[in-house]
Amino acid sequence: EDQVTQSPEALRLQEGESSSLNCSYTVSGLRGLFWYRQDPGKGPEFLFTLYSAGEEKEKERLKATLTKKESFLHITAPKPEDSATYLCAVQIFGNEKLTFGTGTRLTIIP
Amino acid sequence: EADIYQTPRYLVIGTGKKITLECSQTMGHDKMYWYQQDPGMELHLIHYSYGVNSTEKGDLSSESTVSRIRTEHFPLTLESARPSHTSQYLCASSAGPRDLWDNSPLHFGNGTRLTVT
Repeated sequence: EDQVTQSPEALRLQEGESSSLNCSYTVSGLRGLFWYRQDPGKGPEFLFTLYSAGEEKEKERLKATLTKKESFLHITAPKPEDSATYLCAVQIFGNEKLTFGTGTRLTIIP
Repeated sequence: EADIYQTPRYLVIGTGKKITLECSQTMGHDKMYWYQQDPGMELHLIHYSYGVNSTEKGDLSSESTVSRIRTEHFPLTLESARPSHTSQYLCASSAGPRDLWDNSPLHFGNGTRLTVT
């Protein structure tokens, strides 16, 4: 059965303190791995899609990387506005439906 | 800027009532989805549509029904609400060809938080 596990469940960082969020997956035939950001009371907002091991994508203070078993979302020198829940989802070949993780709730303290 | 709109944002309703959650998108996407999200839990797909007159059930069993008469509109209906239906319901759409698997990202609305008393 396809599984997606995100860790940690919650992370509190001081402003400027860099860290990484983890998304590990057990699927057969990964088509794509997606990162979304969700603010309280809002729907998820798309950040990145990664397709193959070794791929990296960046957006402002965020960088996503992918290996054959996991993905990392690195956040460099975060600011309070980066506080949100970050969701990971995977899609496999032959099945468009996404399998989501439970998310990491990130809090950046000024 | 949200191009996918859900109404109402919040709904508190009594057991046994019929409700319809509205979802509209202005992006011309063929594919639309309904997800259910409970606090601290993963999103679960309950319905999806590949285009007009296409509807399918998702992975999570749901007593709700959907319709897709217009491209831009994908309402979800509960004929008789129960407390177990209390949850957040998220609507999403994605670009890409109607009948092909693709990995276009999802665009989500801001959800409807439903409470059934």
